[in-house]
Amino acid sequence: AQKITQTQPGMFVQEKEAVTLDCTYDTSDQSYGLFWYKQPSSGEMIFLIYQGSYDEQNATEGRYSLNFQKARKSANLVISASQLGDSAMYFCAMRNNAGGTSYGKLTFGQGTILTVHP
Amino acid sequence: NAGVTQTPKFRVLKTGQSMTLLCAQDMNHEYMYWYRQDPGMGLRLIHYSVGEGTTAKGEVPDGYNVSRLKKQNFLLGLESAAPSQTSVYFCASSTAGVRTEAFFGQGTRLTVV
Repeated sequence: AQKITQTQPGMFVQEKEAVTLDCTYDTSDQSYGLFWYKQPSSGEMIFLIYQGSYDEQNATEGRYSLNFQKARKSANLVISASQLGDSAMYFCAMRNNAGGTSYGKLTFGQGTILTVHP
Repeated sequence: NAGVTQTPKFRVLKTGQSMTLLCAQDMNHEYMYWYRQDPGMGLRLIHYSVGEGTTAKGEVPDGYNVSRLKKQNFLLGLESAAPSQTSVYFCASSTAGVRTEAFFGQGTRLTVV
């Protein structure tokens, strides 16, 4: 069974500083994808970044980067130059692709609430 | 481009009542999903569909039924609501591609009293 663990229920960061949100995963499959989603207080789910298990480079999208350490099964999200608008819940999720039968199903972590202080 | 639209956005039910949540997507996605979000538990998959006329159980399917009569619509039904089904429900859709993200609706906040 797949499992995602986010051990930080809440994190605080000063505006303009960088912050790392932790995510570890457990899977026996070799082919999988890792996603981060942002959920602001308004409730919608916003896709941030994707990392494939066979990707050799860490993914980056603007101020977001993913610190992917495959041997440690971790996929931490790094947000650089935090902004007040980054205050939200952040979810790490995994999709397994083994045999093409995952059908895109996502397994989510518990989430981390990030608060950015001015 | 509306993306994924859920109706209703809010609903209060009495224990034992039934209701249907509607999800519509206009992106021609093959796959559709229903998740529920509870505090401290992230999102959990209730049911999913890989194409018109197909449905399958997810992690927490008990107490729910689904139907996908048209490719663009995915309905979630509660036949006899229970307080344990108080939650925020999200519909999502995606293509069959490995690298593509799921697109989510805005959520439905359901309270069962």
